[in-house]
Amino acid sequence: GENVEQHPSTLSVQEGDSAVIKCTYSDSASNYFPWYKQELGKRPQLIIDIRSNVGEKKDQRIAVTLNKTAKHFSLHITETQPEDSAVYFCAASKSSGSARQLTFGSGTQLTVLP
Amino acid sequence: DVKVTQSSRYLVKRTGEKVFLECVQDMDHENMFWYRQDPGLGLRLIYFSYDVKMKEKGDIPEGYSVSREKKERFSLILESASTNQTSMYLCASSLYITEAFFGQGTRLTVV
Repeated sequence: GENVEQHPSTLSVQEGDSAVIKCTYSDSASNYFPWYKQELGKRPQLIIDIRSNVGEKKDQRIAVTLNKTAKHFSLHITETQPEDSAVYFCAASKSSGSARQLTFGSGTQLTVLP
Repeated sequence: DVKVTQSSRYLVKRTGEKVFLECVQDMDHENMFWYRQDPGLGLRLIYFSYDVKMKEKGDIPEGYSVSREKKERFSLILESASTNQTSMYLCASSLYITEAFFGQGTRLTVV
């Protein structure tokens, strides 16, 4: 099956600095790559996603890049704020016939220091 | 607003008990998923389903089974609960290649 690796597991940055989280996937058939943010005690929520026919996508302070050849994708957060502190998960999704599998990475605990 | 609801927020069961975790979604999504979340291990896929009565094993199906008799409901069954199944369980649903919406989670403790 699909294997998604995520690094780093923890990341501390000063408020206003940028944060980068990287993921690699194993199955070249994966074609949808969402990123989720999970605040303490809450459910994961989608923050941005990218499809395999796109190399980069941006939404205000967050951006995601995808390198299909290398099978890796990254989340970039600029001008970090304390409310960005959370666990971030990357995921990769592929079709298997009618089934749609969604595999997550192990998560990155981001702490933004004031 | 999509709603994914899990039947219990907290559950305490004894070793060997049969445990049912229920998940209901109200947006007619064809895909439903069960994950367990453990510190440092992320969200690990147990089972998923793409249609009524259809199911596929995820990465860690051992000790679990699932049931999807109606499109809106996806149940996770622990046939004989063990202490190593103590975890946070998250249900999610999605349309074909779109955002997955999560339930609030069930914290299961097996004693």
